[in-house]
Amino acid sequence: QQKVQQSPESLSVPEGGMASLNCTSSDRNFQYFWWYRQHSGEGPKALMSIFSDGDKKEGRFTAHLNKASLHVSLHIRDSQPSDSALYFCAANNAGAKLTFGGGTRLTVRP
Amino acid sequence: DSGVVQSPRHIIKEKGGRSVLTCIPISGHSNVVWYQQTLGKELKFLIQHYEKVERDKGFLPSRFSVQQFDDYHSEMNMSALELEDSAMYFCASSLVNQAPLFGEGTRLSVL
Repeated sequence: QQKVQQSPESLSVPEGGMASLNCTSSDRNFQYFWWYRQHSGEGPKALMSIFSDGDKKEGRFTAHLNKASLHVSLHIRDSQPSDSALYFCAANNAGAKLTFGGGTRLTVRP
Repeated sequence: DSGVVQSPRHIIKEKGGRSVLTCIPISGHSNVVWYQQTLGKELKFLIQHYEKVERDKGFLPSRFSVQQFDDYHSEMNMSALELEDSAMYFCASSLVNQAPLFGEGTRLSVL
């Protein structure tokens, strides 16, 4: 079983809409959670990190972490076609490698 | 450009052949991790080195070996290549407890 699971596998939203991506970990040793974005033909790029319970907002992106349920989400408001990409949730504990989820493919329809 | 540099960007090999992939991390980054991506989606952890010492190993086939050198650059030596080795190979570098920064990857095609 994957230690980091993402849902949905794919998501389509209209331009200007809200996209919500979910991630759940099965490993309580994970303390740090990260969101990465990968555009076609490129390497993954770090979007944001979240280490504490609650919300963290960076521009149009808001991450939410619930450590008790090991659930983290990413919400993208006012989605743009340029947001169309593969989004990864990743988790680790101090100094360890990142364990990635299976990814969510987001398509923003113009 | 001060990003993670991977070479070559694309390589084609015959089944049973050998290949070497190189990763030059961001200056000062001693933590280097390799991932394999197939079908354009799942990132599979292969191996992690920190300060030139192997720290963790994942799905790295025994046919592959990875070494980190004094300047922290990393090389993946691949032998007895199989069709299933066709994939994108990414390396990522970081300081401890910082978000790993990925290179643009090497596309390996085994024919």
